[in-house]
Amino acid sequence: QKEVEQNSGPLSVPEGAIASLNCTYSDRGSQSFFWYRQYSGKSPELIMSIYSNGDKEDGRFTAQLNKASQYVSLLIRDSQPSDSATYLCAVNPGSARQLTFGSGTQLTVLP
Amino acid sequence: EAGVVQSPRYKIIEKKQPVAFWCNPISGHNTLYWYLQNLGQGPELLIRYENEEAVDDSQLPKDRFSAERLKGVDSTLKIQPAELGDSAVYLCASSTRTGVNTGELFFGEGSRLTVL
Repeated sequence: QKEVEQNSGPLSVPEGAIASLNCTYSDRGSQSFFWYRQYSGKSPELIMSIYSNGDKEDGRFTAQLNKASQYVSLLIRDSQPSDSATYLCAVNPGSARQLTFGSGTQLTVLP
Repeated sequence: EAGVVQSPRYKIIEKKQPVAFWCNPISGHNTLYWYLQNLGQGPELLIRYENEEAVDDSQLPKDRFSAERLKGVDSTLKIQPAELGDSAVYLCASSTRTGVNTGELFFGEGSRLTVL
């Protein structure tokens, strides 16, 4: 079992819709959770971090964390074509261990 | 504020040749990471430095890969000899000391290696 799992996609949504990206992790003791966006040919860029159960909102982005289910998600409201990218889920398992990335979900927002 | 700077951006070499990548982190960032990213995959950690000390190099293939971070600032990653399977993007990232625990990494543009 991979430590961090994401659906590779591709996920396609129409412009203006809500895009929902999901991630599960295996280490129940994981401390912190991150979403990175990576445009094609570019490097990853941090867009959201979440540390406690519940929702965290930042503009059009909402991160959701459920530690009991070992599940973290990213919602993008009013999706724009400029949101088309690969979204990487990253989990910090704590105890000074390394940050672990999922393989990413490719999102395409259709105009 | 300048970001993480990497060079070269692209490198094409023949197998068995050596190659080196250079990284200059964001000023004041004590922690430096080298990641490898294959197409369609997430970044995988090769080595992490705290200042000049390599604190996690368990995933670095030490038979052919080496890295150094002299004076705790910029860093070099070397592969000698390169193999076909080393073709990938090599990403450098940096963070502040608190970033180690938060996962808030700042990545450079990467060095894309093609081994023929």
